[in-house]
Amino acid sequence: EAGVAQSPRYKIIEKRQSVAFWCNPISGHATLYWYQQILGQGPKLLIQFQNNGVVDDSQLPKDRFSAERLKGVDSTLKIQPAKLEDSAVYLCASSLGLVETQYFGPGTRLLVL
Amino acid sequence: QKEVEQDPGPLSVPEGAIVSLNCTYSNSAFQYFMWYRQYSRKGPELLMYTYSSGNKEDGRFTAQVDKSSKYISSFIRDSQPSDSATYLCAMISGANSKLTFGKGITLSVRP
Repeated sequence: EAGVAQSPRYKIIEKRQSVAFWCNPISGHATLYWYQQILGQGPKLLIQFQNNGVVDDSQLPKDRFSAERLKGVDSTLKIQPAKLEDSAVYLCASSLGLVETQYFGPGTRLLVL
Repeated sequence: QKEVEQDPGPLSVPEGAIVSLNCTYSNSAFQYFMWYRQYSRKGPELLMYTYSSGNKEDGRFTAQVDKSSKYISSFIRDSQPSDSATYLCAMISGANSKLTFGKGITLSVRP
């Protein structure tokens, strides 16, 4: 079974630029999550989708971050404009449903200069 | 006070040692408790998942939950160099499966 796929794996941008990350969850997984992991910290949930609807986006900085999950499969996370403090690893995870085991992708490492 | 506190690291042990990892939490709503392992430049992977207070064992890995003390711990027996990674405790309140992670502790097992 293929795991969660993410791209790109690495991205370097300058502050105020925009960037987008892509995630393809495990086939059949209804729930998709985006986490931000700052160096030396545990992952922090940014947004959670159930199919193509948002379940929780309480910790998403909505003035600069946006995410969508069209057709309830792939998802994109966008940052516009980026700030220095957005430098982190962005992890995508998926699960069969709520309160099911979450499987993580390898993450996208973002460096904002 | 953070919802989940994890013992700071890093931790370095010789091969074959028993490793003890600990977390405390403040939110009484947490019902499900997990331990994740994260290798460098990889995403976290689930090691163990517990619901009730008590012990759960899986191979060299044991997890303990004490809900009355809001304390979880795990032990790795006969540690191997391949166990060198960051270990994260995580918890779910059950309402919407939102995972709350500890900071993680980096373990290095010396051959």
